[in-house]
Order: sequence, then C-alpha cells, then structure tokens
Amino acid sequence: RKEVEQDPGPFNVPEGATVAFNCTYSNSASQSFFWYRQDCRKEPKLLMSVYSSGNEDGRFTAQLNRASQYISLLIRDSKLSDSATYLCVVTSGGGYQKVTFGTGTKLQVIP
Amino acid sequence: ETGVTQTPRHLVMGMTNKKSLKCEQHLGHNAMYWYKQSAKKPLELMFVYNFKEQTENNSVPSRFSPECPNSSHLFLHLHTLQPEDSALYLCASSQGIGGGKKETQYFGPGTRLLVL
Repeated sequence: RKEVEQDPGPFNVPEGATVAFNCTYSNSASQSFFWYRQDCRKEPKLLMSVYSSGNEDGRFTAQLNRASQYISLLIRDSKLSDSATYLCVVTSGGGYQKVTFGTGTKLQVIP
Repeated sequence: ETGVTQTPRHLVMGMTNKKSLKCEQHLGHNAMYWYKQSAKKPLELMFVYNFKEQTENNSVPSRFSPECPNSSHLFLHLHTLQPEDSALYLCASSQGIGGGKKETQYFGPGTRLLVL
C-alpha cells in the first residue's frame, strides 16, 4: 500500500459545481496534514492545513478522519481558476520530519 | 513571491559534468528541503536540513551531494548524473519541523534539469 494515496483524476467539473477529493495515508503515527495546490509547471503552494476538528477557508473545507486514516478537501462553487493539481501531504515528526506527498489529483473546471 | 529563490531555473548537463543548484530563502526559516519531481510521480523528498544539520537522507545516490552552509542557503551538488535524473528539483523551507504550522513548507520555483 502506498504511504499516501490519491485518485489521480482528472476530475472534470462545470463551473459552480462542488467537488471533493480524498486522500488516504498508511502511517497511523502521522502528525500533520496539508493540502497543496500545484499549477502546471509551477511549484506547489500551500492551500490549507488540515486540523482534527476540520477547517474551512472560504469555498474550501478540509477534514481529517484519523480513525479511517484519510483526509478530504471539498471545493464549493468551483471557479475556472481552481483548475490545478491538488497534492495531499502527510508528515510525521519524532525528531526528524518525514514528509510524504501524494501523486496529486488533477482538477479541470470547465466553463 | 520571492520568499524562496532557486538558480538556475533551467539546466542542461552532460553525464560527466559537475554542476550545483542553489536555493536561498528570505523567510527566516530554520529548515530547508530538496525534492525531486519527475513526471507522473509524487514529489520525492531527498534531503532535510534543520538548523544546518542534515536530519533526513532518503537513500539518495551519492551523485547528489547537499550542502547547507547556513539556515538561509542550500546547495545541491551534482556530478556524473544519469539521464533518469532529469526532473524538476524543488527547494522548500519551513519555520521548523515537528508539528503544526511550523511545518508549512514554502517552495521555490524549481530548477528544471535535463541530463543528456
């Protein structure tokens, strides 16, 4: 089983739609979770951290389910500018940092 | 954004060449990272430095040699690379390691490397 697994997509959705991505992780000792966004031929940029209680930032909502070892990202009212690859990132601490990226889920928002 | 800069942005080198990639962060962070991004593969963490000390080396071949002279600068020295090493090499920095917001990583634009 991969350490961090994502559906690669692509997810093709119309403008205004709601879309959700899931990411599963295998290491139960994982401590921190993030969603990054990567545009084509650009570097990844932090979209949001994911907290146990869930968190929302505008149209974006992230959830963490430690029992089932997955995190999710919900995008409401999709915009054309949301088209990108969304990367799930899981880290474990313990004196050093092991950082694992998922392969990413590609989202294409269609006019 | 110019928080994390990388030079050169593009590099073509032969298998016998020696070159270096440079990363500089202007964010006052203490941890820096090298990643490799190949097509259709997840980002692969190569090296982690925290307060100039290497804390992670993910079984990277010795033809890649990192150097961290201070918390703001990170180098990746390359020699006798193989064509399969062609990829985007990304540098990142974070305030620290060990949990929470400190771990948020900020990436540079990357160096696109082609080994012939």
